[in-house]
Amino acid sequence: GDSVTQMEGPVTLSEEAFLTINCTYTATGYPSLFWYVQYPGEGLQLLLKATKADDKGSNKGFEATYRKETTSFHLEKGSVQVSDSAVYFCALCPTSGSRLTFGEGTQLTVNP
Amino acid sequence: DTAVSQTPKYLVTQMGNDKSIKCEQNLGHDTMYWYKQDSKKFLKIMFSYNNKELIINETVPNRFSPKSPDKAHLNLHINSLELGDSAVYFCASSPQVPGPWTGALNYGYTFGSGTRLTVV
Repeated sequence: GDSVTQMEGPVTLSEEAFLTINCTYTATGYPSLFWYVQYPGEGLQLLLKATKADDKGSNKGFEATYRKETTSFHLEKGSVQVSDSAVYFCALCPTSGSRLTFGEGTQLTVNP
Repeated sequence: DTAVSQTPKYLVTQMGNDKSIKCEQNLGHDTMYWYKQDSKKFLKIMFSYNNKELIINETVPNRFSPKSPDKAHLNLHINSLELGDSAVYFCASSPQVPGPWTGALNYGYTFGSGTRLTVV
């Protein structure tokens, strides 16, 4: 079945450091890929998405590129801020559109 | 206006009790979901309804029963609560445009803020 694997956390960075959170997936066909962010005590918010191969999703300084050849959708940000501290979830939606499957989540802590 | 709202936000109850969580969305979406998030933050789908019709029913104890009176509401009733039911429960919704089943594919989900259930 479909699955999403994220790099293990937690990840701790200093402010202005470069961030990469790895995400790889297993799915048939051409799923859509998403990154969600969950701030403490809140629900999940859509951060960015890509619906076809080679698409780049971007939002709030975060970027991720849909790489079909490596089945990956790594999240990057050039300079993190304390306010980026949250849990980040990679997710896929299969071409049937029936449901989102989430990765395990990666806790990011950014220190001043 | 909150797009997907859940009530209550917190629920503390004793083992054996029956409780309900309510969810409402004002986005005009056709599909609604319940997800369970455990203490390690792992998210697992429980149920999905499309226009009041149950379309996803994962391996969930039959103590959990969803009810959708209309496409804007999806409630979750839990009978005989157990300690292991303690978790955060999230409601979500997705549109059915531009075509059937492509809403989530193109737009993902909109989530509620969650209900933290603690069974003591």
